[in-house]
Amino acid sequence: EADIYQTPRYLVIGTGKKITLECSQTMGHDKMYWYQQDPGMELHLIHYSYGVNSTEKGDLSSESTVSRIRTEHFPLTLESARPSHTSQYLCASSERQGYEQFFGPGTRLTVL
Amino acid sequence: KNQVEQSPQSLIILEGKNCTLQCNYTVSPFSNLRWYKQDTGRGPVSLTIMTFSENTKSNGRYTATLDADTKQSSLHITASQLSDSASYICVVSDRGSTLGRLYFGRGTQLTVWP
Repeated sequence: EADIYQTPRYLVIGTGKKITLECSQTMGHDKMYWYQQDPGMELHLIHYSYGVNSTEKGDLSSESTVSRIRTEHFPLTLESARPSHTSQYLCASSERQGYEQFFGPGTRLTVL
Repeated sequence: KNQVEQSPQSLIILEGKNCTLQCNYTVSPFSNLRWYKQDTGRGPVSLTIMTFSENTKSNGRYTATLDADTKQSSLHITASQLSDSASYICVVSDRGSTLGRLYFGRGTQLTVWP
């Protein structure tokens, strides 16, 4: 079992609210990633980080933002949630680029 | 365009039976291919990883094959168990980008019935 954690596991929130999804890993990995996954669909990379103070946007455009102030922590923030943001958000980390990515359990977000 | 296609989309088998899942990819240049298992409501967990020179790799009851010439991989599950019910995702990595870009298939949803 990989040491990567996400909270909350489930979140139901109203439109317009600001939310932060937490992701932490205790493996000391420099590389961290955020993916978005809809039911029955493939994972889409929305953000990644090479290390502290490094953040980049992924392939799928997202209104969310991320920060990487500490190696072990990679939170994702939505300033104003909308129903179109309803999805599962998966955080992952890897020791090096191209190496195995270890995934957290995910946060299932529902915006009403 | 780099893509990963999996078949079948879903599969139902009886406990104790074997099954084979397919993955075709167009990712180039190829680095490695992984099969992940994703239980409902959980994150994916790696089952096997195969590089260009590897043809077969086993992990318990899971055996993955790779044909780099035809760009095809399969995952064979032997003597299925109820706990094998999950989505199986084929993930291909390229070596042409600094990120080590991953390309995900949509997964095969396997259901094992008692």
